[in-house]
Amino acid sequence: GAGVSQSPSNKVTEKGKDVELRCDPISGHTALYWYRQSLGQGLEFLIYFQGNSAPDKSGLPSDRFSAERTGGSVSTLTIQRTQQEDSAVYLCASSSGLAANEQFFGPGTRLTVL
Amino acid sequence: GNSVTQMEGPVTLSEEAFLTINCTYTATGYPSLFWYVQYPGEGLQLLLKATKADDKGSNKGFEATYRKETTSFHLEKGSVQVSDSAVYFCAQKGGSSNTGKLIFGQGTTLQVKP
Repeated sequence: GAGVSQSPSNKVTEKGKDVELRCDPISGHTALYWYRQSLGQGLEFLIYFQGNSAPDKSGLPSDRFSAERTGGSVSTLTIQRTQQEDSAVYLCASSSGLAANEQFFGPGTRLTVL
Repeated sequence: GNSVTQMEGPVTLSEEAFLTINCTYTATGYPSLFWYVQYPGEGLQLLLKATKADDKGSNKGFEATYRKETTSFHLEKGSVQVSDSAVYFCAQKGGSSNTGKLIFGQGTTLQVKP
């Protein structure tokens, strides 16, 4: 596709369940970022991939959060044992690799933990 | 650490009014500065940017000037339209970090009434 896509667009889950969020970056983009947008915390960085490696995981809020990227393309953000405070919109962005380059954002996945 | 602070909203203006949304930053090094916009139901998109002191970013009638002496990047528009109603985020990137991750302000909701 032409832009960054994310799935699902909405996810409702029960507290304690695991969830997986998917991001398909723009083809050829080597850099991929995950951010979280929540009412209390605003828009915050979670993790950065360059290719399949994650040199910056400093924004992951706890060890319940993990992410991987395969084939230098698709990325999956996994949240284990979800808590209500995990409810947020999870945004993915990609760029063509250099830190200075523009990041293009996907539409986000709205996660609601009941 | 690095941070971005922007004025709280919501900001409500009449059409053709002058807009200012204040943004200040703290950073080590010399970051690039950005304004992103999120229209209702749409993803985050880059509005304008400035990469060094005294640079002026501009797009769609919006302007912002990188002021190193006041560590500010205020967004301005001379005459707003109803279609400008959106959430605006100020952000920085770079400085002491070379990963390209964005650090965002809390966002300011702008509502323009006809």
